Amino acid sequence: GNSVTQMEGPVTLSEEAFLTINCTYTATGYPSLFWYVQYPGEGLQLLLKATKADDKGSNKGFEATYRKETTSFHLEKGSVQVSDSAVYFCARNNYGQNFVFGPGTRLSVLP
Amino acid sequence: GAVVSQHPSWVICKSGTSVKIECRSLDFQATTMFWYRQFPKQSLMLMATSNEGSKATYEQGVEKDKFLINHASLTLSTLTVTSAHPEDSSFYICSVPSGGATEAFFGQGTRLTVV
Repeated sequence: GNSVTQMEGPVTLSEEAFLTINCTYTATGYPSLFWYVQYPGEGLQLLLKATKADDKGSNKGFEATYRKETTSFHLEKGSVQVSDSAVYFCARNNYGQNFVFGPGTRLSVLP
Repeated sequence: GAVVSQHPSWVICKSGTSVKIECRSLDFQATTMFWYRQFPKQSLMLMATSNEGSKATYEQGVEKDKFLINHASLTLSTLTVTSAHPEDSSFYICSVPSGGATEAFFGQGTRLTVV
């Protein structure tokens, strides 16, 4: 079935370090891919998305490229900040518009 | 501003009581809404699809008699956790799909604690 696998944390980085969170998906059809972020005590917020192969989603310094050949959508940021501490979820949508989420990766950024 | 409003944001209830969670689509009409559950340190899992004017569709393993879903209007879906038990303690979150199946808007979530 459809699934999303992502690097499980927790990930702890120092401020200004480079971040990569790996994400791969099982491919049936041509899903749209997403990264959602959940700050402590809050709901999900869309961070970025890509709707077709080779698209690059970007927002707030985060980027991810839809790689069909490797079925991947890795999240990167060149210089993380303390305020980026949160849980990050990779997701794909299914036909019918519900989502399949990865297990989430908790990121802690230390000053 | 928020596209989806979920209420309450947190609730504590006693075992055996029922709790109702509301999910409102603020900006547009939604014939379909989705309800997810997130256990501590785990991912979100789809519980059910709420369909306006008809019965909800439940995922395998989700008890429809325990998690009652009502989608009586195009802007409101409710999830009622009946006869709640401590193992029902979780974070419940609803979503409303946007047009074109490329995005969804999520509510703020409801943290339910059953004591």
